[in-house]
Amino acid sequence: DGGITQSPKYLFRKEGQNVTLSCEQNLNHDAMYWYRQDPGQGLRLIYYSQIVNDFQKGDIAEGYSVSREKKESFPLTVTSAQKNPTAFYLCATGLADTQYFGPGTRLTVL
Amino acid sequence: AQKVTQAQTEISVVEKEDVTLDCVYETRDTTYYLFWYKQPPSGELVFLIRRNSFDEQNEISGRYSWNFQKSTSSFNFTITASQVVDSAVYFCALSEPYSGGYNKLIFGAGTRLAVHP
Repeated sequence: DGGITQSPKYLFRKEGQNVTLSCEQNLNHDAMYWYRQDPGQGLRLIYYSQIVNDFQKGDIAEGYSVSREKKESFPLTVTSAQKNPTAFYLCATGLADTQYFGPGTRLTVL
Repeated sequence: AQKVTQAQTEISVVEKEDVTLDCVYETRDTTYYLFWYKQPPSGELVFLIRRNSFDEQNEISGRYSWNFQKSTSSFNFTITASQVVDSAVYFCALSEPYSGGYNKLIFGAGTRLAVHP
């Protein structure tokens, strides 16, 4: 099946822990993105990557880290430095100025 | 600065009614793209349409239609004969040049549409 997969669907974290959200795609798109969505709000860009081994900070990168070791994968780590990590996280891929989104991961800090 | 405004926070209609979702944008760029995405309760954003700033022709796709007017900086979305399955949050977005040749998407806050039987 083609598309974007994100795992897990739901994630619970204790304060002070780092967690990693997975994003995998088999669309052969070069660009990948991570967004954060808070209740009743639009999406905000965390990080993006246009090619393997390269990534750039978005508008709200503090407390997050990423890697892009292969084209298909763009994992996001939410570190303990992120002060308010409870949110819905969406991964996207990009082709010709259009972005396509995965199903999302809902992170809750306990 | 680029900005997208969706003034309607929530809209509630009865099935088979027509409904229009408003989107107003601000940009200083002459070349840009506008988008609409649908977010059903499952959470995934579904791409609906992309519009180039040079193409003001209206578009129709089944029960969906889009009205792009550069003179008023609006890109409105109409659902004809709404159905319960249309219930979702709808986002309008604008692309802007960002660093490194990447076009960033600026999202509006979204409009929650509830279609009741």
